[in-house]
Amino acid sequence: QKEVEQNSGPLSVPEGAIASLNCTYSDRGSQSFFWYRQYSGKSPELIMFIYSNGDKEDGRFTAQLNKASQYVSLLIRDSQPSDSATYLCAVNTAGNQFYFGTGTSLTVIP
Amino acid sequence: GAVVSQHPSWVICKSGTSVKIECRSLDFQATTMFWYRQFPKQSLMLMATSNEGSKATYEQGVEKDKFLINHASLTLSTLTVTSAHPEDSSFYICSARDSQGLDGYTFGSGTRLTVV
Repeated sequence: QKEVEQNSGPLSVPEGAIASLNCTYSDRGSQSFFWYRQYSGKSPELIMFIYSNGDKEDGRFTAQLNKASQYVSLLIRDSQPSDSATYLCAVNTAGNQFYFGTGTSLTVIP
Repeated sequence: GAVVSQHPSWVICKSGTSVKIECRSLDFQATTMFWYRQFPKQSLMLMATSNEGSKATYEQGVEKDKFLINHASLTLSTLTVTSAHPEDSSFYICSARDSQGLDGYTFGSGTRLTVV
């Protein structure tokens, strides 16, 4: 079983819609969770991190964490074409290893 | 915010030669740095965890004698690809975290290695 799993997509949403990205992880002792955005040929850039159960909002982005279900998600409101990228979920495990999911490709259609 | 500098950004080398990639944390100290490899249209794959002052921890399937990691200071980790072959051509990325911060891991800009 992979440490972090994501639906690879591609996910397509119209401009202005809400994009929902999901991620599950296997290490129940994991403490911190991150969402990164990666444009083709570039390094990932951090969007948000979350440590506690519940929601965390930052502008158009909301991260949601449910440790009991080992599930973390990212919502992007009012999606823009510039949001089109691959979104990577990352988890810092109890053993202090940092693993990425395979990424979800998002396309926002103008 | 935290900045990680990675050099070179791209390199072309002949098969059989070695290539060194540097990863520096510019404005913070990083006791741990991570090295990843990414093939086209694939996800980042963790290669090894670099720990300052001690041996790196390699992921299963990663040859530690081929990918030499040195983390000699709190601001510098290096990855040396020894006896490179065309199949080692990839995008190599390092990341580090400010041990005093809580804002996740920062990535270097990556190094695109092409072995010819």
